Amino acid sequence: KAGVTQTPRYLIKTRGQQVTLSCSPISGHRSVSWYQQTPGQGLQFLFEYFSETQRNKGNFPGRFSGRQFSNSRSEMNVSTLELGDSALYLCATSPGVSGANVLTFGAGSRLTVL
Amino acid sequence: AQSVTQLDSQVPVFEEAPVELRCNYSSSVSVYLFWYVQYPNQGLQLLLKYLSGSTLVKGINGFEAEFNKSQTSFHLRKPSVHISDTAEYFCAVIYDNTDKLIFGTGTRLQVFP
Repeated sequence: KAGVTQTPRYLIKTRGQQVTLSCSPISGHRSVSWYQQTPGQGLQFLFEYFSETQRNKGNFPGRFSGRQFSNSRSEMNVSTLELGDSALYLCATSPGVSGANVLTFGAGSRLTVL
Repeated sequence: AQSVTQLDSQVPVFEEAPVELRCNYSSSVSVYLFWYVQYPNQGLQLLLKYLSGSTLVKGINGFEAEFNKSQTSFHLRKPSVHISDTAEYFCAVIYDNTDKLIFGTGTRLQVFP
């Protein structure tokens, strides 16, 4: 069974540009969560989607947005990139939204903003 | 605010020695507790979880953790570490069925030969 697939794995952008990251969940997983990981802040929750609806949102500015498609694949977008947006962006999926469901993580998309 | 505290940012240890990685959480009515491991250039992988029942939880790769409600702790232990255990370890908590997983800041375990 294929794991959680995140694309691209690595990318470099410049300040002011925008970026879109993709996450394809494990078959049957309908919940997708996004996290930002940086050395200084650790893992910060961005948002969670289930059945194409955003269920939870972390404390990030409006430049960070996401969506989920009918096939459960999810994308996140960051507009007007800043140097501080450089991070590893992790996607995690689970079958449902119950807290008892274990998250399965992808390998991440490493974004570098120059 | 509810949080997760991993007091040790780095833990150096020699191969075959025992190790304990500490995790404390905020007092709450109910909690689900998790330990994840992250190897270099990879995502997080579940080591073990506590949802209910026995307070001693056994996970993969010989790790175990004990839920201690009175001390609001969920420390991770391994009796004998291997070089391949070198990684970052994250404790995570879900409070009161909120469905939001809150992570600690992580502990980097460095195993030396």
